[in-house]
Formats: sequence, C-alpha cells, structure tokens
Amino acid sequence: DAGVTQSPTHLIKTRGQQVTLRCSPKSGHDTVSWYQQALGQGPQFIFQYYEEEERQRGNFPDRFSGHQFPNYSSELNVNALLLGDSALYLCASSSPSRKGSYEQYFGPGTRLTVT
Amino acid sequence: AQSVTQLGSHVSVSEGALVLLRCNYSSSVPPYLFWYVQYPNQGLQLLLKYTSAATLVKGINGFEAEFKKSETSFHLTKPSAHMSDAAEYFCAVSDTSYDKVIFGPGTSLSVIP
Repeated sequence: DAGVTQSPTHLIKTRGQQVTLRCSPKSGHDTVSWYQQALGQGPQFIFQYYEEEERQRGNFPDRFSGHQFPNYSSELNVNALLLGDSALYLCASSSPSRKGSYEQYFGPGTRLTVT
Repeated sequence: AQSVTQLGSHVSVSEGALVLLRCNYSSSVPPYLFWYVQYPNQGLQLLLKYTSAATLVKGINGFEAEFKKSETSFHLTKPSAHMSDAAEYFCAVSDTSYDKVIFGPGTSLSVIP
C-alpha cells in the first residue's frame, strides 16, 4: 500500500515565478491538507481539500491556491513567489469520514527554494 | 484559538536514559492530540495519538504519552533512549477529526552515546 507521495522532491524557482506542487493521498483517503514548514519551525496549515473543494484555510495569502481532482490527488499553486516562500511543503492525507480515523499521514515533502 | 507550546527547543539525553519531551496545549473543546517525529530531510511520522479514550497512550518505538486535562499537558516519554531516537519531535492538536492540525514549534532530541 503506497503512502502519501509528493512531486517533485526539490524545486528551485526565481522570485516572481509560479510553482505547482503535487500530492497523491494514501489509498482510501479522501481528504488532503497542505502545510508549509519553514526551516527550524513546525508545519503551518495552508488549506484542506475535501470533495474537490477547499474546506478550511489557514492564514496564507491568496497567492496560495489549490485544487483537488476526482481521484483525490491535489495540487498546491503559489504565484508571485517571494524569498519567504522557501520552505518544505508537506501534504497530508486523511479519511475523517471513516470511523475511528483521526490522524493525518504525511508525505516526504517538496523542498522549494526561491532565489 | 488552539495553540501548542513545547518547553525546550532542544533536549539532550544519554543513551539509555529517560526521554521526557513536554507539550502543553490550549483548546476550547476536548482535543485530539498527536506526537509526530521528523528525521532529517523527511516528512512527519505519527508516533501516537490521543482521541478521548485511555489517557495513557502507547505509540511506536517504545514511546508513550499521558493526557492530563487539569494540566492541559500531553508529555511524551520513553524509558530508555536509543541513538536512533535522535530527531525532531512535534506535538500537535486538532479540535475534530477533520479539523486542521496545529503544530508546536518542535523539540530537537539529541542522544549522547
């Protein structure tokens, strides 16, 4: 059973550019959450997708947007990149509708460097 | 608003010694609580979770944590540290099973041979 997968592993972009990160959830999971982890900090919640809609959002600007596809995979898009967007971006999947399922399973992350 | 504090950004223990990592939370409702571990250049792995069942929760790799509502704490312990336990540990909280997870700032654990 494959866990949560993310692509690409590493990415280098220039300020002002746009980037798309991808995530495939664990088999049987229907909810995808995205987190930003700056160096030396805990992950910060960006947003969560369920049934192809954004269900919750953290304190991130509109430059951060996302999408969920019918197969539950998800994309995170960041426009007009800033140096401060450099971080590890983590995707997590879960299945809250399944009784007794509470935890989120995390992928290995995508390391984004903005120069 | 939910929040998590972890006392001690860095903890060092000798191999074989007790590991104690502290976590305090604030939540307006009975929370779900988690401990995650992160090894260098990797994602997060769930160690254990509290979901309003037993207050003493056992996890993987010999770790356990005790939920104390009166102290709003969820400290992580392991009786005997192993070199492979060296990693970053995050305490986290959510209000419901589908709610966003709020992470603490993390505690870096070093194990001295």
